[in-house]
Parts: sequence; structure tokens; C-alpha cells
Amino acid sequence: QSALTQPASVSGSPGQSITISCTGTSSDVGGYNYVSWYQQHPGKAPKLMIYEVSNRPSGVSNRFSGSKSGNTASLTISGLQAEDEADYYCSSYRSSTTLVVFGGGTKLTVL
Amino acid sequence: EVQLVESGGGLVQPGGSLRLSCAASGFSFSSYWISWVRQAPGKGLEWVAHIKPDGSNQYYVDSVKGRFTISRDNAKNSLFLQMNSLRVEDTAVYYCARNWGLGGAAFDIWGQGTMVTVSS
Repeated sequence: QSALTQPASVSGSPGQSITISCTGTSSDVGGYNYVSWYQQHPGKAPKLMIYEVSNRPSGVSNRFSGSKSGNTASLTISGLQAEDEADYYCSSYRSSTTLVVFGGGTKLTVL
Repeated sequence: EVQLVESGGGLVQPGGSLRLSCAASGFSFSSYWISWVRQAPGKGLEWVAHIKPDGSNQYYVDSVKGRFTISRDNAKNSLFLQMNSLRVEDTAVYYCARNWGLGGAAFDIWGQGTMVTVSS
């Protein structure tokens, strides 16, 4: 069982918007603005898409955005494209001996 | 080009040892925290360990404490993970990743990964 809870799967049609949630506790997601999101295509290394809740690294499309409310963070992808089909993972700093925790991952299917 | 390249993975019996390496290039390696993150087959990501830029402090996930040791050689731009007393559940792709951001809890550069299989 992963430390952060994500839906196992989401889907959407090209051009639509989808949102993936990531629920933690006050010791991680709710307590710090250190939530990140990663995109992983099959057989590839993860790619950082969002850091510190809502910041995009250079080169990441502005179709990707992040937010947080309480113990739940969210990743929104607007204008879905076929290339967005991948697994998405959230992560957060945690105030414990396990300093970084991940969600179980969400498989995004573009219909 | 900024990159990390892992090596050293392979097949090992339960109870055995393995040493992973990660070669960095294209950035000031000695200025960054660096981590190991693993992914069991068909499973999610799990942070394993990370090490301070000067190597003076290391942190581990509870399940590997006392068995794994992270270290670095800044003169050679290299990161290591010594894995002892390996268990079947340590089977995974092991990635090295550069810590990023204010809290150092994001990973902005990842290697391609090296597969570790623990099996008899």
C-alpha cells in the first residue's frame, strides 16, 4: 500500500481536461508545499512535470498544472493529447524517517 | 548534456550483495543531493535513499536501513549504492535521480535505470 493515494486509472478524450488526485496526510501533502508530479511512459524513466505543488520545470507544457487543498493535491492536464497517455505519480516530502513518499500511480488513457 | 547513467545491476541470490554505480555529467555534481529511487516490476516508485552534497549525511527508507549504504565520490562525479543481505522484495529497477527544489523533494534528472533481480 502506497503512502499517498491516487486513483488507479483515469481517461479522457483528446482535447478534454482531466484531473488526478493525490491524497496524503498533514505529515506530508497537507503540511508542506513540496508536492511533485511525474509522467512515466512504458519502459522509460519518470519525468518531472510539476514541483512545489504548482511549478513547471522548463520545457514542460503549460497544459499541465498543479494545485493543493488541504491533504489533497491535484494534477490537471488540459487539451489532452495522445502523447499524454502514460502513468502519473505524485510525491511529497514527509516529516519522518522516510523523507519522500510516492503515490501508487495513475494510468491515464487517452480514448 | 545533463545526465545520469546507472550500472551494476544483475541477478543475485537472496542474501547476496550488489553495488550499483551512477555516473553524472553535465552539471555540478558536488552541489546537489542525489537519490536512489526504485520501481518493482509492474509497481510504483519508491524512494530508497539520498545523500547530502558533501556526503556527510545519508537517509534511507526503513525497509533498507542497515542493509544498504549510499555513498558518493565527488571527484569522480559518481554515486554508489552498496546493497547487502538482498531480499526477493528488493527486485526492482533502480534509478539515480537528482534532488531538486526548495525542499529537495523533487527529482528533476533521472538515469535510465538498472535492473536488480534477487532470486534463487
